[in-house]
Amino acid sequence: GQNIDQPTEMTATEGAIVQINCTYQTSGFNGLFWYQQHAGEAPTFLSYNVLDGLEEKGRFSSFLSRSKGYSYLLLKELQMKDSASYLCAVRIYNQGGKLIFGQGTELSVKP
Amino acid sequence: DVKVTQSSRYLVKRTGEKVFLECVQDMDHENMFWYRQDPGLGLRLIYFSYDVKMKEKGDIPEGYSVSREKKERFSLILESASTNQTSMYLCASTAQGGGRHGYTFGSGTRLTVV
Repeated sequence: GQNIDQPTEMTATEGAIVQINCTYQTSGFNGLFWYQQHAGEAPTFLSYNVLDGLEEKGRFSSFLSRSKGYSYLLLKELQMKDSASYLCAVRIYNQGGKLIFGQGTELSVKP
Repeated sequence: DVKVTQSSRYLVKRTGEKVFLECVQDMDHENMFWYRQDPGLGLRLIYFSYDVKMKEKGDIPEGYSVSREKKERFSLILESASTNQTSMYLCASTAQGGGRHGYTFGSGTRLTVV
């Protein structure tokens, strides 16, 4: 079966760094995505990894290890507006771009 | 600016009503998806479509049907709404193969069935 795990909740302090982990067990892996979702809104794209290694985009970075079925999203210099849910999703090969989602990690940034 | 548009942000319907949720994309995407999102359960796939007039069941299709008569429009139908279908419904689309951004989501429809 397909399974994606990520922590349910995390809390961090403004200005700090936080790492959100995601582990997956899927067949036919074809890329991993991170989305940000503020309460009551639609998810928005943050990052994409298909090869092993680190992808950096401003304050956000995402890492992938395909052999370990593991990814993390790293958020630096946290701001209050980063309080949101972060969704890890895996694309399955040869299924027309369909994504399998984890349950999401609710991040609270405190002053 | 490319878009996925869902016709309603908020909807209140009565038990037993037939409900139509509409989704339109302007990106000429082949693939379209309907999810529902509930606290603690994440996004669960209801139905998806890879082409006009075709549809595939997702993980939780019971109580739902879909229609894709035109490439840009994918409709979700609740045949007889029930209170356990109260949820946030999200439509998404993607090009063939998925691309580097994965899905583009609509803004969501929060449906309440009373």
